[in-house]
Amino acid sequence: KQEVTQIPAALSVPEGENLVLNCSFTDSAIYNLQWFRQDPGKGLTSLLLIQSSQREQTSGRLNASLDKSSGRSTLYIAASQPGDSATYLCASTGGGADGLTFGKGTHLIIQP
Amino acid sequence: DGGITQSPKYLFRKEGQNVTLSCEQNLNHDAMYWYRQDPGQGLRLIYYSQIVNDFQKGDIAEGYSVSREKKESFPLTVTSAQKNPTAFYLCASSIGGQGLTALHFGNGTRLTVT
Repeated sequence: KQEVTQIPAALSVPEGENLVLNCSFTDSAIYNLQWFRQDPGKGLTSLLLIQSSQREQTSGRLNASLDKSSGRSTLYIAASQPGDSATYLCASTGGGADGLTFGKGTHLIIQP
Repeated sequence: DGGITQSPKYLFRKEGQNVTLSCEQNLNHDAMYWYRQDPGQGLRLIYYSQIVNDFQKGDIAEGYSVSREKKESFPLTVTSAQKNPTAFYLCASSIGGQGLTALHFGNGTRLTVT
């Protein structure tokens, strides 16, 4: 069964820094890898979806990469802002599971 | 604006009572899902439906039931058989089936059972 791990579980950085969030998965036979953002007490907002045939996707200050062979994805956030503070979750298909398997998330705090 | 509406935002019930959580979408998506989120855990799939009048169990379906009589609606009933029903419940939808396209989520219902 697919397992998704996110490291670190929590991260606090000063405003303006570039940062990287990590996501690893055990089964490389994935259809896609999705990154989400979750604000406290809210649902998830889709940020980026990388198809298995792609290496990366970009949206504004966000860039997500995918390396299926190593079972890793990274979410790069450029020039971080206090408004980026949230929990970031990654999810992938694969491993014979129905649908997406989610990681536990990285809780990000951007200090003003 | 298109989106997913979950109601109510907060729900309180006594142990032993069944309770139904509402999920409505106007995105014209075929697939709909119910996830449960507990502190310190990732989202876990309860049920999903890829088409009207059809649905499948997810990883933790025991104690839950669903229906999909309309494309727009996918209500979840938490029955008295669910041993630990207190949780944050999230409904989602997507254009295509299971994880193949981006998921869109509602804002969740926090259920507390005492």
